[in-house]
Amino acid sequence: GAGVSQSPSNKVTEKGKDVELRCDPISGHTALYWYRQSLGQGLEFLIYFQGNSAPDKSGLPSDRFSAERTGGSVSTLTIQRTQQEDSAVYLCASSLQGQGALGEQYFGPGTRLTVT
Amino acid sequence: KQEVTQIPAALSVPEGENLVLNCSFTDSAIYNLQWFRQDPGKGLTSLLLIQSSQREQTSGRLNASLDKSSGRSTLYIAASQPGDSATYLCAVPGGSYIPTFGRGTSLIVHP
Repeated sequence: GAGVSQSPSNKVTEKGKDVELRCDPISGHTALYWYRQSLGQGLEFLIYFQGNSAPDKSGLPSDRFSAERTGGSVSTLTIQRTQQEDSAVYLCASSLQGQGALGEQYFGPGTRLTVT
Repeated sequence: KQEVTQIPAALSVPEGENLVLNCSFTDSAIYNLQWFRQDPGKGLTSLLLIQSSQREQTSGRLNASLDKSSGRSTLYIAASQPGDSATYLCAVPGGSYIPTFGRGTSLIVHP
């Protein structure tokens, strides 16, 4: 594909419901990142996938958040029992990871999540 | 833990001015640094990636410099235009390939 795509672009959900956010990285990119950006806040790292290695989940704010990456490509971020504080823009990025270095990151357009 | 600071937080200038945006980081042991632009309601667009072995990178009217020893990078925008209005963010790798982002500089260029 031409770039990183995310779906849906907007999601409004009721408090307590589960949501799934999808990210399609650039073909061939081995690294995939999820971030959260709240109003007026910086980018908050959530989770990082690199190839077939175990993901780095150190940024997930609670056990209501989980993510998977199937076949080293598409990733899904799941938020269970959503809370109002989960409202934010969720951004996905992919990169072709260099040796021991952060590769150039390419971002998707984001999913704006609103929990009512 | 890597910390990234961007100054100024906001900037409003008339069209045509040359601008300098600053990014500082606490851990100078970085492999590279990346500058991004974010338009309202959009994702981030990569502007420049500067490797630790480089001192600067240029793309059109943009020039990014890197001084690892002092933990600083600057993004220079020449002859600013209204279309340059956006938030500019810098990012450096923290531990384990996890990038740390600054809070950004919100730029408005008015005609």
